[in-house]
Amino acid sequence: EVQLLESGGGLVQPGGSLRLSCAASGFPLSSYAMSWVRQTPGKGLEWVSGIGGSGGHTYYADSVKGRFTISRDSSKNTLYLQMNSLRAEDTAVYYCAKGAHIVVMIAFFDYWGQGTLVTVSS
Amino acid sequence: QSVLTQSPSASGTPGQRVTISCSGSSSNIGNNPVNWYQQFPGSAPKLLFYSSDQRPSGVPDRFSGSRSGTSASLAISGLQSEDEADYYCSAWDDSLNGWVFGGGTKLTVL
Repeated sequence: EVQLLESGGGLVQPGGSLRLSCAASGFPLSSYAMSWVRQTPGKGLEWVSGIGGSGGHTYYADSVKGRFTISRDSSKNTLYLQMNSLRAEDTAVYYCAKGAHIVVMIAFFDYWGQGTLVTVSS
Repeated sequence: QSVLTQSPSASGTPGQRVTISCSGSSSNIGNNPVNWYQQFPGSAPKLLFYSSDQRPSGVPDRFSGSRSGTSASLAISGLQSEDEADYYCSAWDDSLNGWVFGGGTKLTVL
């Protein structure tokens, strides 16, 4: 059974950093593309970043490019999102989503975690 | 402002057929398959349709999807109270080099 468990969310001051983790089980992380998708409370979904399986090509939304870094540890079957220079507008629930394929651009999201809340506020 | 455009709300009575539309451009829906996600309050999104018209196992055949040009539609026939949820369309955008979503449509069953 596929399971995705996010952790690492919390309250952080503007300009601060946070690292989110997504522990995957039921499938090998390196064989599928993975993404982070966020949702502002009461608002819609926004794709943040994706990483391909195998070679691990990475992709970022313009809103986070240069500030966020996606990575994975295949030995731990865990996906990460390092978030630096955080802004108030980054406040959202962050979901880890498994892609249905190895390539990010065709890998629609067939499984989602329950999300972790990140609040950027002073 | 979302890249894909959806009506914020839709409604219908039990048993009715409801259609939710999603409008995009040549760089996303016009050139790539559309996927739909269903989200209940307080829960994570769930894949409802992929590749424009493919239903994952477990999704009732009351749900159907289609794509034409730069638009896509999700139709729900025989509307049931448990269909009340938020629905999001999504596609890869070749210009932005990333996934884009619609703003979501809140479906109310009257």
